[in-house]
Amino acid sequence: DVQLLESGGSVVQRGGSLRLSCGASGFTFELFAMAWVRLAPGTGLQWVSSISATSGATSYRDSVQGRFTISRDNVKNILYLDMQSLRTEDSAIYYCAKESMGRLSVAGLNSFDSWGRGTLVTVSS
Amino acid sequence: YELTQPPSVSVSPGHTATLTCSGDLLGKKYSSWYQQRPGQSPILVIYEDSKRPSGIPERFSASNSANTATLTIAETQDVDEGDYYCQAWDDRTAVFGGGTKLTVL
Repeated sequence: DVQLLESGGSVVQRGGSLRLSCGASGFTFELFAMAWVRLAPGTGLQWVSSISATSGATSYRDSVQGRFTISRDNVKNILYLDMQSLRTEDSAIYYCAKESMGRLSVAGLNSFDSWGRGTLVTVSS
Repeated sequence: YELTQPPSVSVSPGHTATLTCSGDLLGKKYSSWYQQRPGQSPILVIYEDSKRPSGIPERFSASNSANTATLTIAETQDVDEGDYYCQAWDDRTAVFGGGTKLTVL
């Protein structure tokens, strides 16, 4: 079974930094794109970033572009999200999700077929 | 790009729930649907407009044409309560709808 386990969430001050990690098992990690999706209080799911299987391509939502960096280690089977210049509106549960394809948004076919339990990030003012 | 979902839908047990998701020319994109029960992680219930992952009951079906994707849940059960999100890609950006809270009462 696919297992995704996020860690690294905590309370951080506005303007601070944080690194989230997601350990993956139960599938061939290096073959699939991966993503971070967040759920903020009172709002719905919000895609944050995706990375292709080989790390050759990344994409970000506009509001985190330039502040967040997604990366992966295909030897250790870990997905990362480095977050800088954090804002209060970044407060959310951050989920790690496996995509159904290796490349990003293959003709729009990619779906998020497995999800972790999430890790909570709280940015205080 | 935006996807619009009604905030809430109510259905009686055993009846059919119909959830909609609207977006400009959404029918020309592939849509996915996710269920999120309270306190749990999302799970994929529909991908590529109408396909069900293994383990998802046949009661779940979906379609996508013109500007609207539709998720239909037949013979709705209490366990189907939760938030449902549609999702599509706009180039390399994944877009989620605002979610519909399904209440079974």
